[in-house]
Amino acid sequence: TQLLEQSPQFLSIQEGENLTVYCNSSSVFSSLQWYRQEPGEGPVLLVTVVTGGEVKKLKRLTFQFGDARKDSSLHITAAQPGDTGLYLCAGAKNNAGKSTFGDGTTLTVKP
Amino acid sequence: NAGVMQNPRHLVRRRGQEARLRCSPMKGHSHVYWYRQLPEEGLKFMVYLQKENIIDESGMPKERFSAEFPKEGPSILRIQQVVRGDSAAYFCASSPREESGYTFGSGTRLTVV
Repeated sequence: TQLLEQSPQFLSIQEGENLTVYCNSSSVFSSLQWYRQEPGEGPVLLVTVVTGGEVKKLKRLTFQFGDARKDSSLHITAAQPGDTGLYLCAGAKNNAGKSTFGDGTTLTVKP
Repeated sequence: NAGVMQNPRHLVRRRGQEARLRCSPMKGHSHVYWYRQLPEEGLKFMVYLQKENIIDESGMPKERFSAEFPKEGPSILRIQQVVRGDSAAYFCASSPREESGYTFGSGTRLTVV
C-alpha cells in the first residue's frame, strides 16, 4: 500500500496556465516536504511544512499543509517551461527517522 | 560548500559482480539516507544511518545488500552478486537532523548487464 498518494500522475499544460498537484495520505505526518527532480539529477528540496493549515509561498509556487497534517497541495501560477520536472512529496513521522516519498507528479510545461 | 557527493555517477556491472556506491554527506550533516528509484517512479527508502550506526534498514533486501557509514570516510552501499533487477538509480541524501528536509546527491545509475 502506498502511504502517500500523489495526483495527477502526469500533467501537461501550456505556458502561462495555473495548476495544482496533490499529495494525500491516511496517515498524520509531523512534517512534509516537496521536492522537484529533473532528469538525471537528484531531487531538490523546495519547502518543508510542519504546522496544520500552514501556507508557504515561493515565488509562483504556493504550498499548503492540510489542517489534519495528512495532505498537502502545490499550486503553481503562470507555469513556465522551467517548471517542468517530477514533483515529489515526502512525509516524516515523529521519531521515525526516514521520510516516505510519493510516486510523484510529472509536469510538462509547453512553451 | 559542496553538497552531497555521490560516485560513481554511472556504474556498469556484469551479473554476479559486486557494486560499491559511495556517498559523502554535506558538511555538518550526520544523518545519511539511501533511496532507490526506478524510471518514472518515486523514491523507495532503503536504509538510514548515522556515524557508525545503522538506524533503520527496513527497506534493504535481506540478502546481498549492506550499508555502512564509518567514523571516517563516506557512506558505502554495497550490493553483492548483482542481478539485472538491481539496475536502478540509487540516491543518497543527508540532513542535519531527523524530520528536516534532505539534500540529495546526483545519484549513481547502476546498470547490470
